Amino acid sequence: QKEVEQNSGPLSVPEGAIASLNCTYSDRGSQSFFWYRQYSGKSPELIMFIYSNGDKEDGRFTAQLNKASQYVSLLIRDSQPSDSATYLCAVNGGNYGQNFVFGPGTRLSVLP
Amino acid sequence: GAGVSQSPSNKVTEKGKDVELRCDPISGHTALYWYRQRLGQGLEFLIYFQGNSAPDKSGLPSDRFSAERTGESVSTLTIQRTQQEDSAVYLCASSLEGSGSDTQYFGPGTRLTVL
Repeated sequence: QKEVEQNSGPLSVPEGAIASLNCTYSDRGSQSFFWYRQYSGKSPELIMFIYSNGDKEDGRFTAQLNKASQYVSLLIRDSQPSDSATYLCAVNGGNYGQNFVFGPGTRLSVLP
Repeated sequence: GAGVSQSPSNKVTEKGKDVELRCDPISGHTALYWYRQRLGQGLEFLIYFQGNSAPDKSGLPSDRFSAERTGESVSTLTIQRTQQEDSAVYLCASSLEGSGSDTQYFGPGTRLTVL
């Protein structure tokens, strides 16, 4: 059973701080990693993806991947109240789309 | 259309009735996914279609659930003899090729309530 784990939260950070969201996965052969944001009552939307070890930056967001330790994280710099949402980690174990496994999500609350 | 669309947006039904949920993927996307999301929970994979290949039905929770897709376009998810535990948001997503590195684009979902 392939598993993706996240701390359910809520994770509360003050406005302007760095929010750090973590995700671990069980399938060592996983190759593609995605972070989705889901506002309450809305559908998930892609924030960013990462395939290689190391950091990938996109604006205020940085994804970090460590395949040896089987974790992927998302850092949000200068957090804003509008970042308050549930963040879903998704992992794909192979070349075929049906191997996507989503984590339960971490609820982030950015306090003004 | 510009994005994935789903209908109806909300469906309230009585226990034991059948329901049909519809998904229109992004034009040109060969892969289509159905997920179920119970309140406060993560996404649960149900079924995956890719082109003309046989669908991956490994996530369907029981034989009351079935899905079809017409070519590379519309898909319908059918739940027969609905139960209260079927109450959830059903999300459809599509991606260009269905590869492991593909981005999935989600529809707005259908909120199903079984009374």
